[in-house]
Amino acid sequence: QVQLRQWGAGLLKPSETLSLSCAVSGGSLSGYYWSWIRQPPGKGLEWIGEINHTGSTNYIPSLKSRVTISVATSKKQFSLKLTSVTAADTAVYYCARKTSTRPMDVWGQGTTVTVSS
Amino acid sequence: DIQLTQSPSFLSASVGDRVTITCRASQGISSSVAWYQQKPGTAPKLLIHDASTLQTGVPSRFSGSGVGTEFTLTISSLQPEDFATYYCQQLSVYQTFGQGTKVDIK
Repeated sequence: QVQLRQWGAGLLKPSETLSLSCAVSGGSLSGYYWSWIRQPPGKGLEWIGEINHTGSTNYIPSLKSRVTISVATSKKQFSLKLTSVTAADTAVYYCARKTSTRPMDVWGQGTTVTVSS
Repeated sequence: DIQLTQSPSFLSASVGDRVTITCRASQGISSSVAWYQQKPGTAPKLLIHDASTLQTGVPSRFSGSGVGTEFTLTISSLQPEDFATYYCQQLSVYQTFGQGTKVDIK
């Protein structure tokens, strides 16, 4: 079955750039949107954005100026970059799979990112 | 932005209880609602999509209903493994989640 494995730096200083990647195994990139979601400590879920295999993206308006999601189809990977991080960006970040009309049915294991000086 | 408000935010229940969680949207979203279950330290698990369609492999004691602005998740007979936090999500305009409902043991 499809599995997502994610990785990236877990400790950042304010103003640095968050960079995470997610690898897809057991399935194709085509026909799906590949999403990033985050969850601050003790809080709820926030959708960040998504990309499909052609590179078409959608971002949450509140983060759009700082977020870039990209895809590397040959590697079956997609990535998240978030610039100028602050303590408010401290969260567990998840990658996930969804279709154009269906919600996230496969999730990565989560990566804890802490922003601290 | 479409806001989702879940109620209650917290509930205590016993094994065997019938549990209902409500999700209200700030504007009409047709049936574009999903429900997830999350246990501590793990990723959310999809339970229901399109407001009432049970995801493959999810026990039939879970059910969803609603259209427009009001949606419900019902657990017909709470089992020990169901103690968790539940989130609704709308997929009509971008995607947003409710604030969550924690189901705890009475």
